[in-house]
Amino acid sequence: DPKIIQKPKYLVAVTGSEKILICEQYLGHNAMYWYRQSAKKPLEFMFSYSYQKLMDNQTASSRFQPQSSKKNHLDLQITALKPDDSATYFCASSQDGANSDYTFGSGTRLLVI
Amino acid sequence: GQQVQQSPASLVLQEGENAELQCNFSTSLNSMQWFYQRPGGSLVSLFYNPSGTKHSGRLTSTTVIKERRSSLHISSSQTTDSGTYLCALATGGLSGKLTFGEGTQVTVIS
Repeated sequence: DPKIIQKPKYLVAVTGSEKILICEQYLGHNAMYWYRQSAKKPLEFMFSYSYQKLMDNQTASSRFQPQSSKKNHLDLQITALKPDDSATYFCASSQDGANSDYTFGSGTRLLVI
Repeated sequence: GQQVQQSPASLVLQEGENAELQCNFSTSLNSMQWFYQRPGGSLVSLFYNPSGTKHSGRLTSTTVIKERRSSLHISSSQTTDSGTYLCALATGGLSGKLTFGEGTQVTVIS
C-alpha cells in the first residue's frame, strides 16, 4: 500500500487557472514537504511543515500556497498557473526533519498549456 | 555555487560490474541521504547516512564528514539498477530542507 498518496497523478491545466495538488501520508510522520522537479533540473525544495506549522518557504511566488488541514495532510494550491509551472511536484515526509529518512510520494506531473 | 555535486553525470555498466558514485558538498554536513529515482520518476530512499558506512544488499554508502563527501557503491550490478541516483544534503537547519545534486544516471546493460 502506498504510504504517501498524491493526487492526481497527472494534471493538465490551462494558463491562468488554479489547481490543488493533494498529499496525504500514512507514516505517522511529523514533517511534510513539497519539492518540484522541472525538466533537466535537480529536485528543488519548496516548503516544509512540522506539526502543521510552516517551517520554511523557498518559493519566490505567492501563487504557491501550502494548506494543511490535518497533521498527515499537506496540499499545494497553485493559482494563476503559467507554462513555467509545468513540472513534477513531489510530496515527502519524515519523522524528524532532515535528521531522519525521507519518504517521497510518487508525484503529480503537471502540464500547463 | 552548487552545494551538492555528483559525479559522474552518467554511467553505463555491463551487468555484473561494480560502480562507485560520488557526492561532494561545499557546506558543512548536517546529514545526507541517497535516493534512487526510477525511470518513471518515483523516488526511493536508499540510505540516511550522516557519517560512516552503511550496507543494504548490494549497496554500500560511505560518508566522510571531514572530507565533505559521500559515495554509493553498487556491486554486481543488475539491469534493474538502471535509473538515477541522487544524493541530498540537509541544508535548512530546523526546516528539514534537503538540497539535491543533479544525480548520476546509471544504465546497466545485459
